[in-house]
Amino acid sequence: SAVISQKPSRDICQRGTSLTIQCQVDSQVTMMFWYRQQPGQSLTLIATANQGSEATYESGFVIDKFPISRPNLTFSTLTVSNMSPEDSSIYLCSVEDQTGGDEQFFGPGTRLTVL
Amino acid sequence: AQRVTQPEKLLSVFKGAPVELKCNYSYSGSPELFWYVQYSRQRLQLLLRHISRESIKGFTADLNKGETSFHLKKPFAQEEDSAMYYCALAFTGGGNKLTFGTGTQLKVEL
Repeated sequence: SAVISQKPSRDICQRGTSLTIQCQVDSQVTMMFWYRQQPGQSLTLIATANQGSEATYESGFVIDKFPISRPNLTFSTLTVSNMSPEDSSIYLCSVEDQTGGDEQFFGPGTRLTVL
Repeated sequence: AQRVTQPEKLLSVFKGAPVELKCNYSYSGSPELFWYVQYSRQRLQLLLRHISRESIKGFTADLNKGETSFHLKKPFAQEEDSAMYYCALAFTGGGNKLTFGTGTQLKVEL
């Protein structure tokens, strides 16, 4: 099974600033995803991080607000840009382990609070 | 668009009692459904998926296409089953992108 780490684990930020969240996997994976979990809500898929090409965003999410990098098969970053209090959420990275029957493994999450 | 509904935010049962966590879905394609669990202070992890048709930690879930349901069941609840349970649907478009339900907090009381 893939082991995923995220940095930072939590942060408190001022509105108008940006935060970059890192996701590191201990093995090469093809599929990496970024999810958001707003307080009291379910997980919502933000985008698929594609290695070597632009991320694929889901409806309601745009690259200007959530730019994503995927420089290799073990690492990705998500930036939350020009933050507002509505961006306060837990952000999770997940990977699909195709050797294990397409199971998705999740990182521990980054808890973001925007003041 | 696909949708997953978990009608109960909180389900409280006594130890040894049967458990049923409800999940209904709507999806125009062929559904792949999962149950994920998050224990206190742990990360989200896969509990079971409908295609494997297996029992994990005593839990089972049967896909009922007629009722568009994928309820999670266990005949005898244990204290360690207390956790947050999410039903999820995989939709096509590149990899197993997941749509999650809002989750049900299961509390098993002694």
